Amino acid sequence: DVKVTQSSRYLVKRTGEKVFLECVQDMDHENMFWYRQDPGLGLRLIYFSYDVKMKEKGDIPEGYSVSREKKERFSLILESASTNQTSMYLCASSRQFTQYFGPGTRLTVL
Amino acid sequence: QQQVKQSPQSLIVQKGGISIINCAYENTAFDYFPWYQQFPGKGPALLIAIRPDVSEKKEGRFTISFNKSAKQFSLHIMDSQPGDSATYFCAASNYGQNFVFGPGTRLSVLP
Repeated sequence: DVKVTQSSRYLVKRTGEKVFLECVQDMDHENMFWYRQDPGLGLRLIYFSYDVKMKEKGDIPEGYSVSREKKERFSLILESASTNQTSMYLCASSRQFTQYFGPGTRLTVL
Repeated sequence: QQQVKQSPQSLIVQKGGISIINCAYENTAFDYFPWYQQFPGKGPALLIAIRPDVSEKKEGRFTISFNKSAKQFSLHIMDSQPGDSATYFCAASNYGQNFVFGPGTRLSVLP
């Protein structure tokens, strides 16, 4: 079974803090993705990566950065958290067409 | 052109009924159309997917109908069960890379 794990299920941070969200997959997938999920907006792509040290901007990259130093790990970084970044964050990995999602991290920025 | 539209936003169906969710896309470069099912507190999970070279795909009670000329596709859930109550997302992708998701449909199946 493919497993995608995310470091935290719930996270509360203060405005201006630097936030790290970690994602690890155990199936040697080349592709990894970060989405945010908001009611009525579906899943919106923040960043994705096709290989180690490779990254591509998605639809809403502003205020975010990513790091992929190892194939199995893809980190999302909020350089200076803001209240409008309160959301559910989902990580996914894929090899070909099927994406496998982690359980999500619900981030609240106060 | 990257947008995927999905309707309805929410759907209530009686047990045993048929649930139908519709999606439409603009970008003709999309070549893979999956549907994901998400239960509360869980990440989305792939339910069923179709490529544009076929007009229909069926897996158990779940069927995708695909209309390439209209750039529309739909999910049909036959004999809907309370356990099908979840949020459903359609998506479109080109070459399995750039995935674009619809806004989701919250399905409630009444016992």
